[in-house]
Amino acid sequence: EADIYQTPRYLVIGTGKKITLECSQTMGHDKMYWYQQDPGMELHLIHYSYGVNSTEKGDLSSESTVSRIRTEHFPLTLESARPSHTSQYLCASSDGIQETQYFGPGTRLLVL
Amino acid sequence: GNSVTQMEGPVTLSEEAFLTINCTYTATGYPSLFWYVQYPGEGLQLLLKATKADDKGSNKGFEATYRKETTSFHLEKGSVQVSDSAVYFCALSSGGTSYGKLTFGQGTILTVHP
Repeated sequence: EADIYQTPRYLVIGTGKKITLECSQTMGHDKMYWYQQDPGMELHLIHYSYGVNSTEKGDLSSESTVSRIRTEHFPLTLESARPSHTSQYLCASSDGIQETQYFGPGTRLLVL
Repeated sequence: GNSVTQMEGPVTLSEEAFLTINCTYTATGYPSLFWYVQYPGEGLQLLLKATKADDKGSNKGFEATYRKETTSFHLEKGSVQVSDSAVYFCALSSGGTSYGKLTFGQGTILTVHP
């Protein structure tokens, strides 16, 4: 059973606020990912990391930033939230061997 | 580049009906293929996978066969239940510069009525 956690599950916040979405996994996976899921369900990769101190931008341009200081932790930060950031954000991890990604429950963000 | 195309939804079925969700892909090399399921309010869960041509992935009554000649990975279930109502995503993972990254289809909403 995969153990990957995201907090908060739901967040309503005003424009201009700084927010950090937390993602942690207890499986020791090197690879971690952030996806943005729009209301039409489509998933877009916005950031990924192949290990500590490694971060890359994904296929969809995002104003968010990420860090990977510890293997188990991969937080995503928005310095100044805008209504266009309203979405669901999904975190995932993989051991890279079986290529299977394990997903957290997601954070639903609403920016007013 | 890589791409995945799923049949458009939503798909609405009665309980015990047969389900097919079509998925075709474009990829370089020899990708691994996946079906993920997303229940309301949750993240994605791996449903099944296949890593080489002619492999059949199966789980919870769902099946999909990796067909390299038709570049397809259609999802099937012989008798759906109300609890199968969810969004289903087809995905692929290939090597090279995309190593470890998944390319997803657009998702198909399945609703099963009693």
